[in-house]
Amino acid sequence: DQQVKQNSPSLSVQEGRISILNCDYTNSMFDYFLWYKKYPAEGPTFLISISSIKDKNEDGRFTVFLNKSAKHLSLHIVPSQPGDSAVYFCAAPPYGGSQGNLIFGKGTKLSVKP
Amino acid sequence: DAGVTQSPTHLIKTRGQQVTLRCSPKSGHDTVSWYQQALGQGPQFIFQYYEEEERQRGNFPDRFSGHQFPNYSSELNVNALLLGDSALYLCASRSTADYTFGSGTRLTVV
Repeated sequence: DQQVKQNSPSLSVQEGRISILNCDYTNSMFDYFLWYKKYPAEGPTFLISISSIKDKNEDGRFTVFLNKSAKHLSLHIVPSQPGDSAVYFCAAPPYGGSQGNLIFGKGTKLSVKP
Repeated sequence: DAGVTQSPTHLIKTRGQQVTLRCSPKSGHDTVSWYQQALGQGPQFIFQYYEEEERQRGNFPDRFSGHQFPNYSSELNVNALLLGDSALYLCASRSTADYTFGSGTRLTVV
């Protein structure tokens, strides 16, 4: 039973346009969510997070939106750049704020074309 | 400042063998977690070590075991390797405000 789902394996966008990556979760007890970016041959790197007490968190070109009633979050990248091409993972800690144990989605591979 | 260091980067083993993977945490980090990332999947939590003890464990058989040393470095051991154990094994270390992944060890079981 996958508790964090990323249903789009890949996404291709043009440089300068918006990239929207989606994530759904099934466990209503989750109260904190993270997005990680992963380049080939590197480990995942933290991108942005959101607590369930918020519905939006913004950091530069990256914004995460949380819709608790729909159990859905999305990552918006505006404007998209070729260097954003990577695999993006949505993750949640099952036991609250601790990051010691994260449940990851399968990831979405983003390709930004010049 | 070195981040999380994992060794080796790549490894090929035969089914039934045993393997040991190593992780040196980022300076200042005292907690180490291990993850398995199979092809096309997200990382799956194996276990976490703190103060040289296993503190949390994911849904992995006891063929997977670990150890943490006094200098906070850690080992992941897998016994009786199966073809399905082929994956990228990621180590992550943590302080209260920072959670950092290593680049991983690519294990291939043939």
